[in-house]
Amino acid sequence: RKEVEQDPGPFNVPEGATVAFNCTYSNSASQSFFWYRQDCRKEPKLLMSVYSSGNEDGRFTAQLNRASQYISLLIRDSKLSDSATYLCVVNGGGSQGNLIFGKGTKLSVKP
Amino acid sequence: DADVTQTPRNRITKTGKRIMLECSQTKGHDRMYWYRQDPGLGLQLIYYSFDVKDINKGEISDGYSVSRQAQAKFSLSLESAIPNQTALYFCATSEPGHTGELFFGEGSRLTVL
Repeated sequence: RKEVEQDPGPFNVPEGATVAFNCTYSNSASQSFFWYRQDCRKEPKLLMSVYSSGNEDGRFTAQLNRASQYISLLIRDSKLSDSATYLCVVNGGGSQGNLIFGKGTKLSVKP
Repeated sequence: DADVTQTPRNRITKTGKRIMLECSQTKGHDRMYWYRQDPGLGLQLIYYSFDVKDINKGEISDGYSVSRQAQAKFSLSLESAIPNQTALYFCATSEPGHTGELFFGEGSRLTVL
């Protein structure tokens, strides 16, 4: 089992749609979880951290389920500008060098 | 100007050539990283450095070396480039304490023929 696995993409949705991405991780000792966004041919940028209690930032909601070892990202009212690849990132513990990136899920929002 | 700057942004070279990718940052962060990204694959850590005197191998360090010349500079070298090192390379920085936020450079696209 790969350390961090994400939904296969691409997700093609119309503007205004709600879309959800899931990510599973294999290391039960993982302590920190994040979603990054990467635009085409650009560098990744932190979108949001994921907390045990769940957290929301505008149209974006992230949730963590430790028992099932998965993380989710929900995007409501999708905008054209949300089109990007979303990377699930897990800190496997130990040194900070141990951030594990998922392969990413591509989202394409259409007019 | 970008806080994390990589040079060159694009490079085409031949098998066996020595290549250096340079990274400089103005964020004042002690921690710096080199990642590689291949199509359809996640980012893979090559090397990381927590301060000038600290260098650590990542998951795919074979065929690469690094130098931390100063707090602000971290270079990646391919001593003898091979075609499967064709990839997009990212430098990143972070603060201690691990918030999980990495600040990436714009990337260096390397093609080895």
